[in-house]
Amino acid sequence: QSALTQPASVSGSPGQSITISCTGTSSDVGSYNLVSWYQQHPGKAPKLMIYEVSKRPSGVSNRFSGSKSGNTASLTISGLQAEDEADYYCCSYAGSSYVFGTGTKVTVL
Amino acid sequence: EVQLVESGGGVVQPGGSLRLSCAASGFTFDDYAMHWVRQAPGKGLEWVSLISGDGGSTYYADSVKGRFTISRDNSKNSLYLQMNSLRTEDTALYYCAKEIHEAFDIWGQGTMVTVSS
Repeated sequence: QSALTQPASVSGSPGQSITISCTGTSSDVGSYNLVSWYQQHPGKAPKLMIYEVSKRPSGVSNRFSGSKSGNTASLTISGLQAEDEADYYCCSYAGSSYVFGTGTKVTVL
Repeated sequence: EVQLVESGGGVVQPGGSLRLSCAASGFTFDDYAMHWVRQAPGKGLEWVSLISGDGGSTYYADSVKGRFTISRDNSKNSLYLQMNSLRTEDTALYYCAKEIHEAFDIWGQGTMVTVSS
């Protein structure tokens, strides 16, 4: 399984919205509505932000939203805040295995 | 409090073996599938292995298949990863993670494995 493709970096000013893409194949993202997104701050464990493409766990801000079209999933962060600066990873179920994205560094300008 | 605590990491020579452990607390352990995910220094996340709640089904990434074995002891609320024939490319921080809805909702703090001569 090859890693899902994400942009290396995305940046935005406070209050703006940004979108991170996650491109896979018909064997993973395209076949299952089982894409999740993780936020990771330096030196910390990843935190689940979105599961099943667009669902938010309890306690995750509604500024985070997810979607999917074909083989590409997306994470949108609206009302960007300083604490959103982190690395973000997508992940897809791929039939008895999982594949993570390459990761995106989000910078708040 | 729901918590996962990994242990067992260390420095090992290429070709050597290591056994990682993950102690779970705060939830009904055998109700959930569990995973190992690793992260090489400065790199991204890589899924390693999955075990079902009853331990009857296991799955592995191609990169570790035949070398790593995942297991669990539900009586001890513990998850394990036996790593044999270790390679330098196995050097990483190893996380255990609890699964819900084919996502990883609870993560440990990780245990570092360094494979070096």
